[in-house]
Amino acid sequence: GAGVSQTPSNKVTEKGKYVELRCDPISGHTALYWYRQSLGQGPEFLIYFQGTGAADDSGLPNDRFFAVRPEGSVSTLKIQRTERGDSAVYLCASSPTGLSQETQYFGPGTRLLVL
Amino acid sequence: AQTVTQSQPEMSVQEAETVTLSCTYDTSESNYYLFWYKQPPSRQMILVIRQEAYKQQNATENRFSVNFQKAAKSFSLKISDSQLGDTAMYFCAFMTDSWGKFQFGAGTQVVVTP
Repeated sequence: GAGVSQTPSNKVTEKGKYVELRCDPISGHTALYWYRQSLGQGPEFLIYFQGTGAADDSGLPNDRFFAVRPEGSVSTLKIQRTERGDSAVYLCASSPTGLSQETQYFGPGTRLLVL
Repeated sequence: AQTVTQSQPEMSVQEAETVTLSCTYDTSESNYYLFWYKQPPSRQMILVIRQEAYKQQNATENRFSVNFQKAAKSFSLKISDSQLGDTAMYFCAFMTDSWGKFQFGAGTQVVVTP
């Protein structure tokens, strides 16, 4: 089947604007993760969904960041009042149930550039 | 809190040769999982190999093998018979035994030259 997809592939916005990043997980996967990868760094955890609910949002940097998964499949990461420091690649991953022993499948990421 | 350290920012290796990437981690957990992921310029993170901490035997996947030293909290990756397609960023990652939240290292850029 299809892998994890993310749209858009690249997003350029101006400081202060609002952006939405979309993640389509593998069909049937209940666990979904968002990570942020700054230039030259490894991915950093943002939020984990189990079904429709955010099971762990401890990685969200501040209240400008918010994510939803209303029907337990597609997820949207929302960033309000973007800042230049938000520029990064945002990665999404999914796994069948969220157990540690499962393989997580990553999408290709959305590269966000805030001017 | 867990930390993952990759001390080699970049490694260069010739085709058909062997290269070893180092990774150390710090945790108070007794059971956990360790991974190596590959990220080519396409940005897609691809699982290379994984190791369960309770298993003493080192994991192998074709040309990729690990040297897992639990007491030393070390998890190195050996790439044998390097190929041009192995050129990528390699990330070491840690996961607890509860649920699948990764802690990644900063990465090592591997460049395979003809």
